[in-house]
Amino acid sequence: DVKVTQSSRYLVKRTGEKVFLECVQDMDHENMFWYRQDPGLGLRLIYFSYDVKMKEKGDIPEGYSVSREKKERFSLILESASTNQTSMYLCASGGTGDLAKNIQYFGAGTRLSVL
Amino acid sequence: DQQVKQNSPSLSVQEGRISILNCDYTNSMFDYFLWYKKYPAEGPTFLISISSIKDKNEDGRFTVFLNKSAKHLSLHIVPSQPGDSAVYFCAGTFNTGKLIFGQGTTLQVKP
Repeated sequence: DVKVTQSSRYLVKRTGEKVFLECVQDMDHENMFWYRQDPGLGLRLIYFSYDVKMKEKGDIPEGYSVSREKKERFSLILESASTNQTSMYLCASGGTGDLAKNIQYFGAGTRLSVL
Repeated sequence: DQQVKQNSPSLSVQEGRISILNCDYTNSMFDYFLWYKKYPAEGPTFLISISSIKDKNEDGRFTVFLNKSAKHLSLHIVPSQPGDSAVYFCAGTFNTGKLIFGQGTTLQVKP
């Protein structure tokens, strides 16, 4: 069974704090992704990574950065948290090749509140 | 620019009846479409997919139909069960591994 583990289910932070969200997958997947989910907006891609030390901007990268030092771990960093970053954050991993094709496996999510 | 759209935010059906969830897309380059299901406080889970060269794929109670000329796909659930109540997301994908999601449709199946 694929397992994607996000380090926290709920986080409350203050405006201006630096926030780290951690994600670990156990399937040796090349690809890892960070999304945020907001009502009425679906899942929006923040950043993704095809390999260790590689990163690509998604649709809404502003205010975020990422780190992938090991294949199994992908971290999302909010450099200076703001209230508009209050959201559900979802990490996913996926393989390449056939169809496992682009199937992504998601963690349970981190509900972040920035006060 | 919303490449994948789910125009119905919510849908309510009676247990045992058919649920039909719809999705429209604008990008002809998608090579696969996927449906995900999401319960509250859980991550989305993969449900079913369809290749852009097919027009139908079936898996148990779930069938996805693709109409390329209309750039439209739909997910049929027959018969619907209360446990199917969740948010359903459709997504298009290129060969890059990247998914483009719609806004989601909340399905409620009433006993």
